[in-house]
Amino acid sequence: EAGVVQSPRYKIIEKKQPVAFWCNPISGHNTLYWYLQNLGQGPELLIRYENEEAVDDSQLPKDRFSAERLKGVDSTLKIQPAELGDSAVYLCASSPTPGYNEQFFGPGTRLTVL
Amino acid sequence: QKEVEQNSGPLSVPEGAIASLNCTYSDRVSQSFFWYRQYSGKSPELIMSIYSNGDKEDGRFTAQLNKASQYVSLLIRDSQPSDSATYLCAVRSNAGKSTFGDGTTLTVKP
Repeated sequence: EAGVVQSPRYKIIEKKQPVAFWCNPISGHNTLYWYLQNLGQGPELLIRYENEEAVDDSQLPKDRFSAERLKGVDSTLKIQPAELGDSAVYLCASSPTPGYNEQFFGPGTRLTVL
Repeated sequence: QKEVEQNSGPLSVPEGAIASLNCTYSDRVSQSFFWYRQYSGKSPELIMSIYSNGDKEDGRFTAQLNKASQYVSLLIRDSQPSDSATYLCAVRSNAGKSTFGDGTTLTVKP
């Protein structure tokens, strides 16, 4: 079974530029999460989807961040414009159902904003 | 105060010793508790979950939960160098949101 796929793995951009990250969850997984992880810290939830519905986006900075999960499968997270403080690893995770114990994480996208 | 707190470490133990990792949480109605392992440069992977008070054992790993004290721990017996990683405690609310601690970095010295 293929795991969670994320692309790109690394991205370097200049501040004020836009950037987008893509995630394809494990086949059949209805719940999808986007996390941000800074060095030395735990993952922080940005947004959680149940199918195509964003059920928790309270921590998403909506002035510059947006996300979509069309058709309830893969998802895109966008930042526009990027700021220096956005440099971090962006993790996507999925699980089969909302109440399922384990979250399966993708390899992450390491973003560097110069 | 953070919702989930862990000692940042680093925690260093000799090979074969018991490593003890601790976590406290602030939300009394939390129902599900998880330990994830994260190797440097890699993504987290689940190693233990626990839902009721007491101990839960899986191989060399034992998770302990005390809801009255809002405390969850992970014991690693016969620690191996391959156990060297950051261990993340995660707490899930009834609404399904998981909150992670900042992790404890464990080093097992041969």
